[in-house]
Amino acid sequence: KAGVTQTPRYLIKTRGQQVTLSCSPISGHRSVSWYQQTPGQGLQFLFEYFSETQRNKGNFPGRFSGRQFSNSRSEMNVSTLELGDSALYLCASSLGRGNYEQYFGPGTRLTVT
Amino acid sequence: QKEVEQNSGPLSVPEGAIASLNCTYSDRGSQSFFWYRQYSGKSPELIMSIYSNGDKEDGRFTAQLNKASQYVSLLIRDSQPSDSATYLCAVTHPYSSASKIIFGSGTRLSIRP
Repeated sequence: KAGVTQTPRYLIKTRGQQVTLSCSPISGHRSVSWYQQTPGQGLQFLFEYFSETQRNKGNFPGRFSGRQFSNSRSEMNVSTLELGDSALYLCASSLGRGNYEQYFGPGTRLTVT
Repeated sequence: QKEVEQNSGPLSVPEGAIASLNCTYSDRGSQSFFWYRQYSGKSPELIMSIYSNGDKEDGRFTAQLNKASQYVSLLIRDSQPSDSATYLCAVTHPYSSASKIIFGSGTRLSIRP
């Protein structure tokens, strides 16, 4: 079974721009969660989608948004990028119904200059 | 108080010895507990999940859960250099949908030959 895939793997953006990251979950997994990982803050929960609905949200500003499609693929968007948004963005998928074991994709390394 | 606490390490253990990693959590209602391993530059990899008090063994790994004391631990027997990584403890959040998972900041483990 194929694992979680994320595209692109690396991105360099300029402050003020916006970016869209994509995540394809493991086949059959309906829950997709997004995390931001930085050396200083560790792994921070952004949001989780299940069956195209946002089920949980972390403490991030509204510049961070996401969505999930009917095939469970998910995208997250960050608008008006700031230097502090430079991080590794990870997506993780799980079955979502009573089983919360999450499997991570390789991540997207975003650098904001 | 952080929701999930881990000693950041580094924890240095000789090859062949038992490595013991500990994690405490603040919310009594948490139901699911996970250990992830993260190699430098890679994404987290799920290695153990535990849901009830007691021990759960999988190969060289044993997870231990004590809900009354609000701690979960991971033992690695016969430690190998390939076990050198950061180990993340993760706990489901009790006050929202259980699909929200909170991660500790991780313990860096180094196995010395």
